Amino acid sequence: GENVEQHPSTLSVQEGDSAVIKCTYSDSASNYFPWYKQELGKRPQLIIDIRSNVGEKKDQRIAVTLNKTAKHFSLHITETQPEDSAVYFCAARGRDDKIIFGKGTRLHILP
Amino acid sequence: NAGVMQNPRHLVRRRGQEARLRCSPMKGHSHVYWYRQLPEEGLKFMVYLQKENIIDESGMPKERFSAEFPKEGPSILRIQQVVRGDSAAYFCASSPLRQEAFSGANVLTFGAGSRLTVL
Repeated sequence: GENVEQHPSTLSVQEGDSAVIKCTYSDSASNYFPWYKQELGKRPQLIIDIRSNVGEKKDQRIAVTLNKTAKHFSLHITETQPEDSAVYFCAARGRDDKIIFGKGTRLHILP
Repeated sequence: NAGVMQNPRHLVRRRGQEARLRCSPMKGHSHVYWYRQLPEEGLKFMVYLQKENIIDESGMPKERFSAEFPKEGPSILRIQQVVRGDSAAYFCASSPLRQEAFSGANVLTFGAGSRLTVL
């Protein structure tokens, strides 16, 4: 089945700087890669997703890139703001339609 | 659109009791996933269901845990004879039919979670 690895587990960046979170997946047939943001005590919320027929997608300060050959995908947040502090999860949907999550990255935005 | 509804939001059980967690998917969504989240940890896949059918339960412990999604009513995650290690947040998420996978629709929407505490 699918296995998703996520790095780093914790990331601290100065407000205004960029943050990058990286994930790798194991199932070459995986076709859908969402990213979720979870604030303390809240549910995970989808912030951006990308499908395997696309290499890059951008939504304002957030972008995701996908390298199918290397089986890795990344989340980029530019001009970080205090409200970006949260836990971010990457995920991949494998050939069996299961959606498997990485272990999460705790992002701290420093003033 | 009420979104994914989970109840109860908080549940306290003593060791050995049973816990039942309910999940009603979003309108138009036919598939339900259950995930477990321990404090400060990630979302661990447990089970994936459609109505009257368990598609994949490979993430669910073989004993004491069961899940169903009947033709009528919510999906239920049942934990029998709970132990302290079962204390966690249990999130349900729903998704549309597989063939809608490449539409613009949000594939996986989460409920607010059910927090189980075992005393």
